[in-house]
Order: sequence, then structure tokens, then C-alpha cells
Amino acid sequence: GAVVSQHPSWVICKSGTSVKIECRSLDFQATTMFWYRQFPKQSLMLMATSNEGSKATYEQGVEKDKFLINHASLTLSTLTVTSAHPEDSSFYICSAKTLANNSFGPGTRLTVT
Amino acid sequence: DAKTTQPPSMDCAEGRAANLPCNHSTISGNEYVYWYRQIHSQGPQYIIHGLKNNETNEMASLIITEDRKSSTLILPHATLRDTAVYYCIATYGGSQGNLIFGKGTKLSVKP
Repeated sequence: GAVVSQHPSWVICKSGTSVKIECRSLDFQATTMFWYRQFPKQSLMLMATSNEGSKATYEQGVEKDKFLINHASLTLSTLTVTSAHPEDSSFYICSAKTLANNSFGPGTRLTVT
Repeated sequence: DAKTTQPPSMDCAEGRAANLPCNHSTISGNEYVYWYRQIHSQGPQYIIHGLKNNETNEMASLIITEDRKSSTLILPHATLRDTAVYYCIATYGGSQGNLIFGKGTKLSVKP
């Protein structure tokens, strides 16, 4: 149980375009989801907390207008990277809060060319 | 959340026990100790958590010192598939708050 999926698993886009990443809780409802970013050989960095039906809470230094988060249902949160640049290339991971612990998705590898 | 300190890397022979230490000397009374691991290019996987008492599940055992200032994750019979980065996190929960990841310990299990 408590399975989280992400789509796509990897994406390549051109600089200046926008990319949407989906995070779904498959067998449970998640009122709270989290988005992380991970650069090579580094740890996960929390970007934002996504609450169903309300605005996301962003960590310091994360641009809310660049990383748009929508949590419109109890099983789906989306992260849109707007006007992507090569420095946005990273591994994006979502997690969903469960009763016992946080379940993580498999991650999305974004490469901006 | 309390800061945790872990060694950057450890080696373990396949089939032997892997003991991963974590210091959390500033942990508060209602903060839990959580362990997650991340295999290369995958999302983190929950392993175990505890508050005061030692805990055991099908994956690992968690030993927490009486003063709660440190803990040890034990993988009783490490396999090559246990090679991963292991993260120790002190946070409020049961229904945890945000998980803030440190640098973790890179465990390499060798044949």
C-alpha cells in the first residue's frame, strides 16, 4: 500500500518551454504532498509543500512563479516548471504524507537543453 | 527539526551486519528518529522509525540510546541490493512534518 507514482519518469525539453510533472497517490488519499529537487551527488532539497485545495507553501529561495504547484484532488499534485533553463535540469521527487510515514515517488529526471 | 550527523560513507561485506550510526544530540522529547534510504536514481524508501524504544521490522532494527542523542540502524544480513544512501532524520510525527534530508551515509555492500 501507499504507492506514489510520477509521470513522466524522464523528460527532455528545450530552454524556455514549460514542463508539467504529475504526482499521484495510487491507493490512498493524500491531503499533503511534498516536492523535492535533487542535483547530482547531492541530497534532496525540499521545494514546497502542497496541500489539497489550497496554495502551496514554498521553501525559502524557491520561486513560486517559476515552479507552479497545483493540488486539485486528494490523489494528484502537479509541478510545472515554467520557462525552463538548463540550470533547472535535475531529479524531481514527490512524496505524499500517510498516517505512518511519507511515501516517495520514483522521481522524474528533467533535462533542459 | 533537530540536526543529525552521519558518517559520509561506510563499507560492509555481503552477509554481514551493517551498523549505521546517527548523532542527534539536540533532539527534543517529541521528535522521532526516521530512517530512509535512496538507491541510485530512485525515490527514497522508508525503513523504520522510533521515539524511545528500540524497533525492529522486516527490513532493519533501530537502536536508540537511552539519552536519545544517538541511534544506530542495523541491517542484519546486508546484501548487494542494500547499497544505497541512508538518511537519518529527526522530526515531529507520527504524522510527520516536512522531511529535511541531510547528506546521509553512502553504504557500499561488497561481495
